[in-house]
Amino acid sequence: AQSVAQPEDQVNVAEGNPLTVKCTYSVSGNPYLFWYVQYPNRGLQFLLKYITGDNLVKGSYGFEAEFNKSQTSFHLKKPSALVSDSALYFCAVRDGGNSGYALNFGKGTSLLVTP
Amino acid sequence: DAGVTQSPTHLIKTRGQHVTLRCSPISGHKSVSWYQQVLGQGPQFIFQYYEKEERGRGNFPDRFSARQFPNYSSELNVNALLLGDSALYLCASSSYRGDQPQHFGDGTRLSIL
Repeated sequence: AQSVAQPEDQVNVAEGNPLTVKCTYSVSGNPYLFWYVQYPNRGLQFLLKYITGDNLVKGSYGFEAEFNKSQTSFHLKKPSALVSDSALYFCAVRDGGNSGYALNFGKGTSLLVTP
Repeated sequence: DAGVTQSPTHLIKTRGQHVTLRCSPISGHKSVSWYQQVLGQGPQFIFQYYEKEERGRGNFPDRFSARQFPNYSSELNVNALLLGDSALYLCASSSYRGDQPQHFGDGTRLSIL
């Protein structure tokens, strides 16, 4: 089975500072990795994905993620945080086994950006 | 273009009742997946449908069932509701390709009293 882990329940950062939200994965083959953001009382919004190719993936709203195969990590980053980035962030890995293309999500990391 | 739409947005039921949740996918998407998100947790996979056939099932009891219609919309049914079924139920649509993301609706908030 494929899984992801998000080791931090909450990340606090000051507006304008860089932010990192951590994710590590465990897969039996090549991972398909995704980041989603969830604002209060809303569904999940797709930010970016890693399938293959360049290890640095750029996504929506200035976010990027770095795929590191040796460390089995896929950390989400942004050079300069905004207060409006405060939300719940989920890392997910795709299960290509007998569950079709289901996504396996981490428990989520709450990001708080303070003015 | 319209995104994934789910109805109703909120629902209150009592233990033992039955509930039906509905989902309309993004136009052109033929796959619909259902997830349960309990407060404070990540979404958990329930079902995936593609071309009206079940293509995947998560670790949920038989009280949970779903179907997909010819227009690719979908229903999730839950029988004999338990307090633990209280959650946000999310529907996601996609093109059923492994390298493509799933796109989520805003969910149905189900509360069991």
